Amino acid sequence: GAGVSQSPRYKVAKRGQDVALRCDPISGHVSLFWYQQALGQGPEFLTYFQNEAQLDKSGLPSDRFFAERPEGSVSTLKIQRTQQEDSAVYLCASSLTVSNQPQHFGDGTRLSIL
Amino acid sequence: GENVEQHPSTLSVQEGDSAVIKCTYSDSASNYFPWYKQELGKRPQLIIDIRSNVGEKKDQRIAVTLNKTAKHFSLHITETQPEDSAVYFCAASPTSGGGADGLTFGKGTHLIIQP
Repeated sequence: GAGVSQSPRYKVAKRGQDVALRCDPISGHVSLFWYQQALGQGPEFLTYFQNEAQLDKSGLPSDRFFAERPEGSVSTLKIQRTQQEDSAVYLCASSLTVSNQPQHFGDGTRLSIL
Repeated sequence: GENVEQHPSTLSVQEGDSAVIKCTYSDSASNYFPWYKQELGKRPQLIIDIRSNVGEKKDQRIAVTLNKTAKHFSLHITETQPEDSAVYFCAASPTSGGGADGLTFGKGTHLIIQP
């Protein structure tokens, strides 16, 4: 299968710990997005990459959130000093080109902060 | 920024009947409107999308209509089946000179198909 792959599927961390979430987009997809989905809500945009360039990080809730895509393929979302309100499903999506193309989602990482 | 409102939050219909979910958006510059289906614990799956240069698009039992003047769009599912039960999300893509096309989602509609 050539879909978007995310790991880990589940992550439990204690408050204050740092976590790293990984996204493998569909091969060849230029655009990569991270979203946060709280329970019972729609996904909320966090940040966007075009190849290795982070063009929009306006949705990141605080400076504890950091994302990178150094080689324009795999991306990592890092959350430092986690807090309980960070508990959510973190979804990654990729699309083929840069403008208004279908976004294909991964299964997400369910993050629980104790 | 963009704001997307979605109604109803829950919709229960008899198997075989039609279901309609409605969304409104605030940014008149938005020009791409996808619909996603999400089953419990699974990824959102794109089921249909529409761009602002058309008013309607159909794919078998699923259709989407767009009214740019009123800034609303709707999902229509005909001849509903038990496997249509899921949460459906509408979304809008605000345009940006930087090319960022992060979607703004509605809060979702839980569609229940009664046998």
